[in-house]
Amino acid sequence: NAGVTQTPKFRVLKTGQSMTLLCAQDMNHEYMYWYRQDPGMGLRLIHYSVGEGTTAKGEVPDGYNVSRLKKQNFLLGLESAAPSQTSVYFCATLVGQGPMNTEAFFGQGTRLTVV
Amino acid sequence: AQSVTQLGSHVSVSEGALVLLRCNYSSSVPPYLFWYVQYPNQGLQLLLKYTSAATLVKGINGFEAEFKKSETSFHLTKPSAHMSDAAEYFCAAVRSGGSYIPTFGRGTSLIVHP
Repeated sequence: NAGVTQTPKFRVLKTGQSMTLLCAQDMNHEYMYWYRQDPGMGLRLIHYSVGEGTTAKGEVPDGYNVSRLKKQNFLLGLESAAPSQTSVYFCATLVGQGPMNTEAFFGQGTRLTVV
Repeated sequence: AQSVTQLGSHVSVSEGALVLLRCNYSSSVPPYLFWYVQYPNQGLQLLLKYTSAATLVKGINGFEAEFKKSETSFHLTKPSAHMSDAAEYFCAAVRSGGSYIPTFGRGTSLIVHP
């Protein structure tokens, strides 16, 4: 099992360019999340999904869009990249059925630089 | 709204010394609580979790944490630090009985000196 796989691992964008980050999971988890990690800020939730075909805004959704057309994939899009979106992006998944299934599983991260 | 506070962005200890990383949560109903570790250029890995079964939770690599409802705390400890423990540590909470959205603290960087 690969677990949670993020593509790409690194990317440099010019201001105004667009891109899509892919998160793929093979654990059949219902819940999927996109976080960004910035120094001293911890992980902040961008968007999340509670199941196929659903998405919801998190703490810092502006400038991002998401889609979950298939249960195993959660896509994060940047429509017009800005330097403030330079960050490390993490995808996470969670089963979400009862207290013993509340652990999050993380991908390896995507390091994005916007110049 | 639920929040998680980690006291101290950096903690420095000598190899062999006690490790204590502090975490407090704010929630009227005790949430499920977690400690994750992040090594450089990697994702987060679960160290241990509290899901109301026992207040003292043992995790991997010799770490443990104690849930104290009266103090709304979930501090992480290890009796003897090892050089390989140097990493970023995150405390997280998931609200019980609600939507499964992990909320993270800002992280504590553990530095271990020889």
